[in-house]
Amino acid sequence: EAQVTQNPRYLITVTGKKLTVTCSQNMNHEYMSWYRQDPGLGLRQIYYSMNVEVTDKGDVPEGYKVSRKEKRNFPLILESPSPNQTSLYFCASSFAGDEQYFGPGTRLTVT
Amino acid sequence: GENVEQHPSTLSVQEGDSAVIKCTYSDSASNYFPWYKQELGKRPQLIIDIRSNVGEKKDQRIAVTLNKTAKHFSLHITETQPEDSAVYFCAARFGNNDMRFGAGTRLTVKP
Repeated sequence: EAQVTQNPRYLITVTGKKLTVTCSQNMNHEYMSWYRQDPGLGLRQIYYSMNVEVTDKGDVPEGYKVSRKEKRNFPLILESPSPNQTSLYFCASSFAGDEQYFGPGTRLTVT
Repeated sequence: GENVEQHPSTLSVQEGDSAVIKCTYSDSASNYFPWYKQELGKRPQLIIDIRSNVGEKKDQRIAVTLNKTAKHFSLHITETQPEDSAVYFCAARFGNNDMRFGAGTRLTVKP
């Protein structure tokens, strides 16, 4: 089954404790992205990647890191999480930057 | 910077009526305009998209129109049904894969 998976689905953590949210797709897509969703603000792109070892900043990259060492994986790293990073996070992949397939989402709470 | 504005933020219609959601974008070089539907607690899913070389696209009860000169595009849903109730997001692609989303429209279809 073609899909995008994220882990964990829910995470509660404390300020400053490094965390990683994993994202994996099995559709051989070149494009992958991370978004955060906050009420009233829609989806905001954090980082995107057009291929292995190619990443670029989106609209709100501050406080986040990504890596793309393999085509199928695109982890999101929060080196020192802060409460303003409490949000719902979605990973997405697409074949050529067009239709995006979203993962199920990760709800992160930073206290 | 690049941005997408979406109106209205909420929309309530009677079953069978039409619904229209409008978006404007800032960068005239944008070339791809998708619409996503997000049901409560679910991930966003593409419902229709349009490219900059096309003025209108239709898929059953859903249509999208694009006015490049005015830099706005609209989603039209005809013969609305209760299952159309969801949050709808427009988006515009800037550059290679910098995707900017509108803030969303919560559509409620009353039976």
